[in-house]
Amino acid sequence: GAGVSQSPSNKVTEKGKDVELRCDPISGHTALYWYRQRLGQGLEFLIYFQGNSAPDKSGLPSDRFSAERTGESVSTLTIQRTQQEDSAVYLCASSLGLGPYEQYFGPGTRLTVT
Amino acid sequence: RKEVEQDPGPFNVPEGATVAFNCTYSNSASQSFFWYRQDCRKEPKLLMSVYSSGNEDGRFTAQLNRASQYISLLIRDSKLSDSATYLCVVLRSNSGYALNFGKGTSLLVTP
Repeated sequence: GAGVSQSPSNKVTEKGKDVELRCDPISGHTALYWYRQRLGQGLEFLIYFQGNSAPDKSGLPSDRFSAERTGESVSTLTIQRTQQEDSAVYLCASSLGLGPYEQYFGPGTRLTVT
Repeated sequence: RKEVEQDPGPFNVPEGATVAFNCTYSNSASQSFFWYRQDCRKEPKLLMSVYSSGNEDGRFTAQLNRASQYISLLIRDSKLSDSATYLCVVLRSNSGYALNFGKGTSLLVTP
């Protein structure tokens, strides 16, 4: 079946511009997670959704980052006024629900801020 | 102290060798542990869960030592296709069961 998809796969943007990253989770998965992987670093948790609710936003690096989710489907991660340190691969994962379920990752969006 | 720490390697081993990776975690309340595999420029994929009693999946064996807060992965009879980065992962009990990742250990299996 279809896995997690993300778009765009690559995004190059100028410093100061806003970007929007999209994630389509596996159908029926109620939990959705965003992670970031900077070059040479481990994956860093950003935010999770249960349904369309995001109870914990403390992982977001700054108030320039926001995310939303429509029902139990598409999620978007928005970065306003991008900075060079935002350059990273942004990975989305989904799972059946909250708990020790396997998280399935999308291929990621590689963001480069010039 | 980082929540999940791993030796970054790289580990360069010949085909057929046995190689072991170690990982330590800082939160003694952690309950669930995993090894993920990440190929170059690809997304992470679950390799195996780690159970208290230790578990084996083919050539792969995972062990957990709760007292020492230590996790290991043993790969026997290494194949060229095992070349990848191996990520030690601890499940958070808060933050919606998000995953805490180590930086990964790089393995290169050579002919």
